[in-house]
Amino acid sequence: DGGITQSPKYLFRKEGQNVTLSCEQNLNHDAMYWYRQDPGQGLRLIYYSQIVNDFQKGDIAEGYSVSREKKESFPLTVTSAQKNPTAFYLCASSIMTSAAEAFFGQGTRLTVV
Amino acid sequence: QKEVEQNSGPLSVPEGAIASLNCTYSDRGSQSFFWYRQYSGKSPELIMFIYSNGDKEDGRFTAQLNKASQYVSLLIRDSQPSDSATYLCASSGGGADGLTFGKGTHLIIQP
Repeated sequence: DGGITQSPKYLFRKEGQNVTLSCEQNLNHDAMYWYRQDPGQGLRLIYYSQIVNDFQKGDIAEGYSVSREKKESFPLTVTSAQKNPTAFYLCASSIMTSAAEAFFGQGTRLTVV
Repeated sequence: QKEVEQNSGPLSVPEGAIASLNCTYSDRGSQSFFWYRQYSGKSPELIMFIYSNGDKEDGRFTAQLNKASQYVSLLIRDSQPSDSATYLCASSGGGADGLTFGKGTHLIIQP
């Protein structure tokens, strides 16, 4: 089955630690995205990538890093520089057209303990 | 800065009635618009997208776009309790550089 897989579903991090969230897609989509969602809020764009080995900052990139070494994979690292990392993280992918809807993974809920 | 505005609700609608969800957007360069449904604790799922002025119908759902007024709406006919969720409106500038989302409207369908 084609889709987007995020792992883990739940993640706990101690303050000062870096953690990496996994996102894999087998939809053959060129574009991939990371969004963050806080309670009662919409989704905010962290990073996006339109092609392998290239990525762009979104609206809230500070404290995060990404890589795009393979078309299928777009991992997100939440660094210790992110002051308020507790949130619901969503990975998405799309084809490269102007009317391209984004398809989402099931999300990773990160909690700082 | 691109913004998409939605009334957070909750919007309460009796079962079987029409639910009307609205959003406005600030960027006149926005080309495509999307409605996502999100159940509590789950990821968003796409319901409809629209990029031409007018109406677009898919089953019980109708999306409406008015670019002159920068206004997008979603109508849900014959509302069911399973339609109770948060509905997110999103806009795209035309490239694959990510969607701008509103904060969502919480819809409650009363049996």
